Amino acid sequence: RKEVEQDPGPFNVPEGATVAFNCTYSNSASQSFFWYRQDCRKEPKLLMSVYSSGNEDGRFTAQLNRASQYISLLIRDSKLSDSATYLCVVNSQNNDMRFGAGTRLTVKP
Amino acid sequence: GAVVSQHPSWVICKSGTSVKIECRSLDFQATTMFWYRQFPKQSLMLMATSNEGSKATYEQGVEKDKFLINHASLTLSTLTVTSAHPEDSSFYICSARTVLYNEQFFGPGTRLTVL
Repeated sequence: RKEVEQDPGPFNVPEGATVAFNCTYSNSASQSFFWYRQDCRKEPKLLMSVYSSGNEDGRFTAQLNRASQYISLLIRDSKLSDSATYLCVVNSQNNDMRFGAGTRLTVKP
Repeated sequence: GAVVSQHPSWVICKSGTSVKIECRSLDFQATTMFWYRQFPKQSLMLMATSNEGSKATYEQGVEKDKFLINHASLTLSTLTVTSAHPEDSSFYICSARTVLYNEQFFGPGTRLTVL
């Protein structure tokens, strides 16, 4: 089983749509959780950290369910510029980051 | 945020040659640097973790004699792909972690093509 699993997509949505991505992780001892965004042929960039209480940053909302070992990212009012691959990232026991394979999002006009 | 640079950004080489990739933290000191590899449409795979002044820790399945990592200072780590072969063609990305923060800052990546 992979340490971090994501639905690869692709998700093709119209502008203004709400889209949600899910991620599960296998290591129950994981401590830190993140969503990164990666544009084609570019390095990943931190989108937001994920906290147990859930957190919001503008149109983006992240949720963590430790009991189910599940993380989610919700994007509201999606923009064309949101098109990218979204990576779920989990800190392993050695404090190394483990990446999911990513979920590709395409927002269309 | 903190800036991490990589050089070169892309390289094309013949099979059998060695390629060195540099990763530098430009405005902070990085006690730990990470090297990842990403094949097309796949996730980043951690290759090794390097701490300044000590030997790198390689992930299972990564040949330490083929992928030589040197982390000689708090701002520089190098990855040398020795005797490169076409199957080593990939996107190599480094990241650096600061002493103070848990966040990793990624370099822009190096695209290696081995002919």
